[in-house]
Amino acid sequence: DAGVIQSPRHEVTEMGQEVTLRCKPISGHDYLFWYRQTMMRGLELLIYFNNNVPIDDSGMPEDRFSAKMPNASFSTLKIQPSEPRDSAVYFCASSGRGGFPSDTQYFGPGTRLTVL
Amino acid sequence: SQQGEEDPQALSIQEGENATMNCSYKTSINNLQWYRQNSGRGLVHLILIRSNEREKHSGRLRVTLDTSKKSSSLLITASRAADTASYFCATVDSGNTGKLIFGQGTTLQVKP
Repeated sequence: DAGVIQSPRHEVTEMGQEVTLRCKPISGHDYLFWYRQTMMRGLELLIYFNNNVPIDDSGMPEDRFSAKMPNASFSTLKIQPSEPRDSAVYFCASSGRGGFPSDTQYFGPGTRLTVL
Repeated sequence: SQQGEEDPQALSIQEGENATMNCSYKTSINNLQWYRQNSGRGLVHLILIRSNEREKHSGRLRVTLDTSKKSSSLLITASRAADTASYFCATVDSGNTGKLIFGQGTTLQVKP
């Protein structure tokens, strides 16, 4: 198994531009999570999906952030327009088989986003 | 939002010594997990302890859980330079929603 795959690994963009982060979860996992990690705020859960359906998006900071999961093997996190304060490392994680959510979460390598 | 706090924030020890990290949390939990993060990498799961368990071992790792005090500790015995990393505790609430709420983490440096 290749593990959770994220792309791109690094993204540098200018303020106001649209940014799209991508994630491929581990095959067979029912749950997919998006996190953001910064020095100031630590690791924050942004949104998570169960069977491709968003369950809790209360961590999404504002309307500029949106996430989709069109199928079981792909999810995107979009920021439009991006701002310098969005600079962070964004992680995707997946877990759960057969509907049990509290299993180990498997994290991708992260996308380091820098907004100038 | 962060579930709780970890203590200490940073720890520096010599190879071969034991390292103990503590985690406190605020709400009722289903389970508590510990993760490791090497610099510039994603998090890796180390161990999970359920709310009805008090202690668990995995190799050189020992985790304890005190639900009455809402606290947990992670002990790494006979530490190695390769253990240098940040360690995070994370809780799953008693409603078992699947959400992990992470602590701030402890940065461990093991000097060779």
